[in-house]
Amino acid sequence: AQTVTQSQPEMSVQEAETVTLSCTYDTSESDYYLFWYKQPPSRQMILVIRQEAYKQQNATENRFSVNFQKAAKSFSLKISDSQLGDAAMYFCARGSNYKLTFGKGTLLTVNP
Amino acid sequence: GAGVSQSPSNKVTEKGKDVELRCDPISGHTALYWYRQSLGQGLEFLIYFQGNSAPDKSGLPSDRFSAERTGGSVSTLTIQRTQQEDSAVYLCASSLVAGGTGELFFGEGSRLTVL
Repeated sequence: AQTVTQSQPEMSVQEAETVTLSCTYDTSESDYYLFWYKQPPSRQMILVIRQEAYKQQNATENRFSVNFQKAAKSFSLKISDSQLGDAAMYFCARGSNYKLTFGKGTLLTVNP
Repeated sequence: GAGVSQSPSNKVTEKGKDVELRCDPISGHTALYWYRQSLGQGLEFLIYFQGNSAPDKSGLPSDRFSAERTGGSVSTLTIQRTQQEDSAVYLCASSLVAGGTGELFFGEGSRLTVL
């Protein structure tokens, strides 16, 4: 099975600081998409950022950016200027064809 | 509707009873997915619909699980003879195109507790 691995079950960061969440994945395909989703206590998954594997440039969305290393099959998420509202479960996912495969998630705590 | 709607939000049932979980996707979204999220686990793929057809139902854990979609819209996930290990949050998602490349829009899930 092609897997997505998040090696950090929990992370914490001080408000206004920067934190990086790690993700590695397995795939035999050359063209695929990678995603980071956020799940707050409300349970609704929200897309944070998306990266297309054929693009070398790292995706950025405001305070959120990724470090995509295709050869290493690594896709980390950097959150800058962390805010209390960033506290949530973060899931990395790999998409190909019609399906997304998710990692087990990283619980991020933001300390005031 | 504006987003993906799931009902019930929470369901407590006794072991051996049948349950139905409903998903109302975003209007116009042809792709619909069911995922299961167990405590401490990621999202486990259950089934994918394209229109009313289910090209991939490989994630359904057993023959006690079934799902259907009608009118290219509402989907129902049915669990027969529930077991305690079925306790989980069941998430539904829809997308305009097949989700491997596009964004999935999720509902808030149905939390199932089997006593």
